[in-house]
Amino acid sequence: DVKVTQSSRYLVKRTGEKVFLECVQDMDHENMFWYRQDPGLGLRLIYFSYDVKMKEKGDIPEGYSVSREKKERFSLILESASTNQTSMYLCASRRFYPTTGGLGGTGELFFGEGSRLTVL
Amino acid sequence: AQTVTQSQPEMSVQEAETVTLSCTYDTSESDYYLFWYKQPPSRQMILVIRQEAYKQQNATENRFSVNFQKAAKSFSLKISDSQLGDAAMYFCAFLESGGGADGLTFGKGTHLIIQP
Repeated sequence: DVKVTQSSRYLVKRTGEKVFLECVQDMDHENMFWYRQDPGLGLRLIYFSYDVKMKEKGDIPEGYSVSREKKERFSLILESASTNQTSMYLCASRRFYPTTGGLGGTGELFFGEGSRLTVL
Repeated sequence: AQTVTQSQPEMSVQEAETVTLSCTYDTSESDYYLFWYKQPPSRQMILVIRQEAYKQQNATENRFSVNFQKAAKSFSLKISDSQLGDAAMYFCAFLESGGGADGLTFGKGTHLIIQP
C-alpha cells in the first residue's frame, strides 16, 4: 500500500514564525502536492511538484514556498506564519501522469493524514 | 479553468438506506477523469471511485456507484445499504486528461451523516 506520511498531525505556532511541514511518500511517485483544506472551501492547491527539484504554483501560493530535494520528500514552508494560514494542510502523491503508451498512473492522488496548523 | 460544484453541504440518511450525492462540473475538455474521495473523521482522504469520461459505462465499486451524465456534466455518487462507517466528508474531483501533472480540482464537499 502507498503510504504518505506527514511529519506533524498538530502544530501551534506564533505569528511571524517560520514553519516547515514535511511530507514523505514511499512509493517512488514522481508527482507530489500540497493542498489546504478549509471548511466550506474544500481543497485548494498550494503548490505541486512534477519531480525532484521541480515545482509549480497552484491556485493559492501566496505566503508559501516548497522544497523538493529528494524524490520521496516534499516540504511546505511558511516563511512568516500569519493567522490566516491557520488551516488543515494535506499532502498527496501520485505516479507520473498523464499516461503515455500505457505507462504512468491513473491520476489518483494518495493522501497523508493531514497537518492541522494553528497560528496564534 | 475547470470548476466542480457540490450543491449539498450536508446530507443525512438512515442506516441501510440509499443516498445520492450530487456533483456537477464545468469544462471545455472532452477527455477527463472524475473521482469521488471520502474523508472520514480521521482525516485521511481515500479514493472511493473513479470514472473515465470516454467510458459510457458507469463505474461501480461494491455498494458505491456513479451516475455519469457527460452531456449534463453531472457525476453523482450513489451509496447503497448505507453503513455507519460511510459517515464522512465526500469530495468530487476532476482531472483533465493529458494536461500535464496538475492536481485534481475538488468540490467543496458534502458532509454525509448516517443515522443509526
